[in-house]
Amino acid sequence: EVQLLESGGGLTEPGGSLRLSCAASGFTFSSYAMSWVRQAPGRGLEWVSAISGSGDYTNHADSVKGRFTISRDNSKNTLYLQMNSLRAEDTAVYYCAKAVTGNYYFDYWGQGTLVTVSS
Amino acid sequence: DIQMTQSPSSVSASVGDRVTITCRASQGIGNWLAWYQQKPGKAPKLLIYAASSLQGGVPSRFSGSRSGTDFTLTVSSLQPEDFATYYCQQANSFPITFGQGTRLEIK
Repeated sequence: EVQLLESGGGLTEPGGSLRLSCAASGFTFSSYAMSWVRQAPGRGLEWVSAISGSGDYTNHADSVKGRFTISRDNSKNTLYLQMNSLRAEDTAVYYCAKAVTGNYYFDYWGQGTLVTVSS
Repeated sequence: DIQMTQSPSSVSASVGDRVTITCRASQGIGNWLAWYQQKPGKAPKLLIYAASSLQGGVPSRFSGSRSGTDFTLTVSSLQPEDFATYYCQQANSFPITFGQGTRLEIK
């Protein structure tokens, strides 16, 4: 059974940093691209970042480029999102999502972790 | 960036009704489109990928179609568990973009 379990969310002040983790199980982690998708309270879905299975290729939304970094450790079956220079508008539930083979449809999602940026 | 515009933003319907939700891409994306269902407090669930392919385990009352840059999600006979918010997503190119969502409510 595929499982994705996010952790690392919490409350931080503007300008602060957080690192989210997503522990994966039930599939060959290194064979699949992964993404982070966020959802601000009461709002729609926003794609944040993506990484290839090998970790060689990454993409970030313009809204987080230069502040967020996606990475993965295939030996630990874990996906990460390093978030720096956080802003109030980054407040959201952050989901990790597994991409299907060969493209960026997301067939499995974690339960989400809430990041709150507030003074 | 490719903009995905969903309509309507909300719709009220009854159990047994047929409902159609539309998503228009701002430029050509081929068949690179997915539909998701999200219930309050839960993660999204993949329903349809490649515009019209049904994800495993999804009931056959859900279907998707494409006409040019217009995409449609149809629920043929609404069941109580189908009342939720639906999102389209393009996977043609980065940045990946979602529609703004359509809330399907009970009439």
